[in-house]
Amino acid sequence: KQEVTQIPAALSVPEGENLVLNCSFTDSAIYNLQWFRQDPGKGLTSLLLIQSSQREQTSGRLNASLDKSSGRSTLYIAASQPGDSATYLCAEGGGADGLTFGKGTHLIIQP
Amino acid sequence: NAGVTQTPKFQVLKTGQSMTLQCAQDMNHEYMSWYRQDPGMGLRLIHYSVGAGITDQGEVPNGYNVSRSTTEDFPLRLLSAAPSQTSVYFCASRSMAGGTDTQYFGPGTRLTVL
Repeated sequence: KQEVTQIPAALSVPEGENLVLNCSFTDSAIYNLQWFRQDPGKGLTSLLLIQSSQREQTSGRLNASLDKSSGRSTLYIAASQPGDSATYLCAEGGGADGLTFGKGTHLIIQP
Repeated sequence: NAGVTQTPKFQVLKTGQSMTLQCAQDMNHEYMSWYRQDPGMGLRLIHYSVGAGITDQGEVPNGYNVSRSTTEDFPLRLLSAAPSQTSVYFCASRSMAGGTDTQYFGPGTRLTVL
């Protein structure tokens, strides 16, 4: 059974810093790897999806990479802003049997 | 488009009561699913559907029933609520149009079982 782990569980950094969130998975035979953002009391918003055949995806200040051989994905956030404060979730899967989520990284960007 | 809508937003039940969590999407997505989110556990898949009339179990299906009579609606029924079902429930639909694979989540239903 696939297991997804996210480190760190919480992170607080000053505004303007570049930061990296980590996600690891136990089974390298992945379908795809997705990153989501969750604001308090809200649903999940899809940020980036990396197909199994891809190495990275970029959207604005966000870049997600995938290394299947090491079972890792990273989400890089450039020039962080207070509006980036949220919980970031990574998830593997997306086949018919749904997504396997990590527990998330709670990110606080200090103004 | 309203996207994925869920009702109610909040609900308090007593042990043994039954209820239905509603989920609807107006994007004509075939795939829909239900997750529950618990502190320290992450999101876990309860049930999913790949189209009208087709449903299947996820990781934690016990105590829940689903049906999919239309493409738009995917209700989740709690047969006899238990305190262990206190959680936040998210419904999601999935688009695979144009080579993409995007999940759209509803805002969630916060359920407390006393």
